[in-house]
Amino acid sequence: ELKVEQNPLFLSMQEGKNYTIYCNYSTTSDRLYWYRQDPGKSLESLFVLLSNGAVKQEGRLMASLDTKARLSTLHITAAVHDLSATYFCAVDRQGAQKLVFGQGTRLTINP
Amino acid sequence: SAVISQKPSRDICQRGTSLTIQCQVDSQVTMMFWYRQQPGQSLTLIATANQGSEATYESGFVIDKFPISRPNLTFSTLTVSNMSPEDSSIYLCSILLANTGELFFGEGSRLTVL
Repeated sequence: ELKVEQNPLFLSMQEGKNYTIYCNYSTTSDRLYWYRQDPGKSLESLFVLLSNGAVKQEGRLMASLDTKARLSTLHITAAVHDLSATYFCAVDRQGAQKLVFGQGTRLTINP
Repeated sequence: SAVISQKPSRDICQRGTSLTIQCQVDSQVTMMFWYRQQPGQSLTLIATANQGSEATYESGFVIDKFPISRPNLTFSTLTVSNMSPEDSSIYLCSILLANTGELFFGEGSRLTVL
């Protein structure tokens, strides 16, 4: 059974700082997704990582995937308050587009 | 990307009743998915809805409780039957864009069962 674990689950940080959210998963997969969810809202697609070594960047967010280590990271550079949200990683189970989600990381960025 | 519309966006329901949620997409898609997000929790896949065949349900979800229709390539419904307070959740439909590999989610339908 595929398990996806995020770390940390809660993160409070200061504006301007850098930090990384980790996503570990238990079985082989080569497709991993990152989403953002604001309170009371749906999920916004941030990144889809399709192969080992994939790295994607959008603004202050950068995601990477190491399929051998079964690890993805979401790195936040020089955080700003607008990035406060819950971030989910999700792994494609068996290549069937059936996603197994991590628990989510609630990120709060303080001025 | 794609535009995915869900109705209703929210509802308050009485125990024992059923509610049907609609999901409309602005383009034809082969696979549509239904997820549940319980309060303060992550998302769990309920079922995969394919046009022209019965939905495929995940462990812990059954057709009698969550019947799904997929009459065409742009539309699907999920019914939550005989609701109890434990069914209070956000229900989201999702589609796969084959050209990018991205999965997009609708705005969600927030159900509160009293």
